[in-house]
Amino acid sequence: AAGVIQSPRHLIKEKRETATLKCYPIPRHDTVYWYQQGPGQDPQFLISFYEKMQSDKGSIPDRFSAQQFSDYHSELNMSSLELGDSALYFCASSKRGLWYGYTFGSGTRLTVV
Amino acid sequence: DQQVKQNSPSLSVQEGRISILNCDYTNSMFDYFLWYKKYPAEGPTFLISISSIKDKNEDGRFTVFLNKSAKHLSLHIVPSQPGDSAVYFCAASARGGADGLTFGKGTHLIIQP
Repeated sequence: AAGVIQSPRHLIKEKRETATLKCYPIPRHDTVYWYQQGPGQDPQFLISFYEKMQSDKGSIPDRFSAQQFSDYHSELNMSSLELGDSALYFCASSKRGLWYGYTFGSGTRLTVV
Repeated sequence: DQQVKQNSPSLSVQEGRISILNCDYTNSMFDYFLWYKKYPAEGPTFLISISSIKDKNEDGRFTVFLNKSAKHLSLHIVPSQPGDSAVYFCAASARGGADGLTFGKGTHLIIQP
């Protein structure tokens, strides 16, 4: 079965650079969520989109922005990267209201040097 | 302030016995609870969920119990198998799923042969 696809799997950037992470949800899922998991931490909710509109906002820094496109894929844009942004970034998708389908991708490991 | 708490960072259980993972929450607005299993370098995998209108949900070897008055839920795995060794995250949501999930810090379950 198709899963949530994230790209790239690994990314190394220097401080103050920008990064773009991509997420391709499961077909027919209408909601995308972004999470950040720092080393030894629990996943922290960043932002979500439902039907291409921002649905909810968590602890997303102002330096980050995200959007969901007409094909439902989503991109997380991160600017002025800081060392503390190094983390695993997970995307999840679901069909709104169907919790058993809330599926995570394998994540993008971002390392800021 | 951690709204979802998993107070045991790790738990060791013998193969074939019952594993009980505990989770406490503080936000009385949470109305849906989920358990995820996570292996290193992979995204969280959905295991089982429970709505706040229920007190028990069972799926094969996995059972989740919810005690709303105590704001406590637990995941029972019986019998425990070596493949169950992973980090288990408890997660909660308010507003019927319109929000991102709030995760606990996880419990590392180790199944000993």
